Amino acid sequence: EVLLVESGGGLVQPGGSLRLSCAASGFSFRSFGMHWVRQAPGKGLEWTSYVTESGSTTYYADSVKGRFTISRDNAKNSLNLQMNSLRADDTAVYFCVRGGTEGHWGQGTLVIVSS
Amino acid sequence: EIVMTQSPATLSVSPGERATLSCRASQSIGTKLFWYQQIPGQSPRLLIYDASTRATGIPARFSGSGSGTEFSLTISSLQSEDFAVYHCQQYNDWPRTFGQGTKVDIK
Repeated sequence: EVLLVESGGGLVQPGGSLRLSCAASGFSFRSFGMHWVRQAPGKGLEWTSYVTESGSTTYYADSVKGRFTISRDNAKNSLNLQMNSLRADDTAVYFCVRGGTEGHWGQGTLVIVSS
Repeated sequence: EIVMTQSPATLSVSPGERATLSCRASQSIGTKLFWYQQIPGQSPRLLIYDASTRATGIPARFSGSGSGTEFSLTISSLQSEDFAVYHCQQYNDWPRTFGQGTKVDIK
């Protein structure tokens, strides 16, 4: 069974940093690109970032470019999202999503940016 | 950036009735479109990929159609568990983009 478990969310002040992680199991992690998708409270889904299977190439939404960094550790089956210069509008549930057409999502981790 | 526009924002339907949701892309995306269902408090569930292919385990009452810039999701006979929010997403180009969602509620 494919399992994606996010962690690292919490309350952080504006301008602060947070590092999210996603532990993957049940599949060959190194064979799939991975995404982070977020959802602000009561709002729609927003794609934020993607990393290729090897980690060599990344893509970002304009809203997070220059502030967020997606990375992966294939030896540890782990996906990460380093979030810097956080703003109130980054408040959201952050989902880890496996690439491809099988639709595997984690349960999400909540990030609240507030003073 | 490709802008995805879903309509209507809310669709009120009686159980057993047919529901048709629309998704429009600001430029052609071929058939690189996902449809997701999301029940409040849960992660999205993939229904359709490649615009018209049902994902594993998805009932036949869900069908997707369209190509280019115009797409639709049809639920042939709404069941109680189908009242939810539906999202479309294009994966033809970067950045990946979602529509704003359509809420299907009980009439």
